[in-house]
Amino acid sequence: SQKIEQNSEALNIQEGKTATLTCNYTNYSPAYLQWYRQDPGRGPVFLLLIRENEKEKRKERLKVTFDTTLKQSLFHITASQPADSATYLCALAVATGKLIFGQGTTLQVKP
Amino acid sequence: GAGVSQSPSNKVTEKGKDVELRCDPISGHTALYWYRQSLGQGLEFLIYFQGNSAPDKSGLPSDRFSAERTGGSVSTLTIQRTQQEDSAVYLCASSKRVGGLHEQYFGPGTRLTVT
Repeated sequence: SQKIEQNSEALNIQEGKTATLTCNYTNYSPAYLQWYRQDPGRGPVFLLLIRENEKEKRKERLKVTFDTTLKQSLFHITASQPADSATYLCALAVATGKLIFGQGTTLQVKP
Repeated sequence: GAGVSQSPSNKVTEKGKDVELRCDPISGHTALYWYRQSLGQGLEFLIYFQGNSAPDKSGLPSDRFSAERTGGSVSTLTIQRTQQEDSAVYLCASSKRVGGLHEQYFGPGTRLTVT
């Protein structure tokens, strides 16, 4: 069956460290993968998009990798700050055009 | 400019009643999506509209759920004969077009509580 898995346990890290979040999928062949940030009580906000033929994408302190062989995307936040504390969702674009979202990983950055 | 808006922000209803949730997408966005998010869970796709094409209703959980999009703009999600398991946050999003190349812009959601 098709599955998207993000670490359901919260990730707690110290301010200034690099946070790494994982998105694994099975039985999908997405052409695109997107990452969103969601704060409590709000809708998700788009962060980054990566194509299947791109290994890595960067935006400021954010970096996303996409390994179609491992069926995995990694999302990195360098020099993390308490303001980065939120839930991060990965989303796969399937052939019909819609996005399928993972359940999200909650990141807590402690000062 | 204005983002995606949803109304009401909160809705409490009795089991068995019908509810209507409204979404105003960003002007010019041809694609509109509805998702459901239960407490601590990810987003569950419900339906999307793309221009004048037939909507993709593959995520609607039962025939009690329906949605329409009038004039290619505002959309209404209707839940008939609500059940307690319908309690969730209903999120609407819009994008320039359907497809993974296009980021989705989300509204703040409608929190539905069925008592």
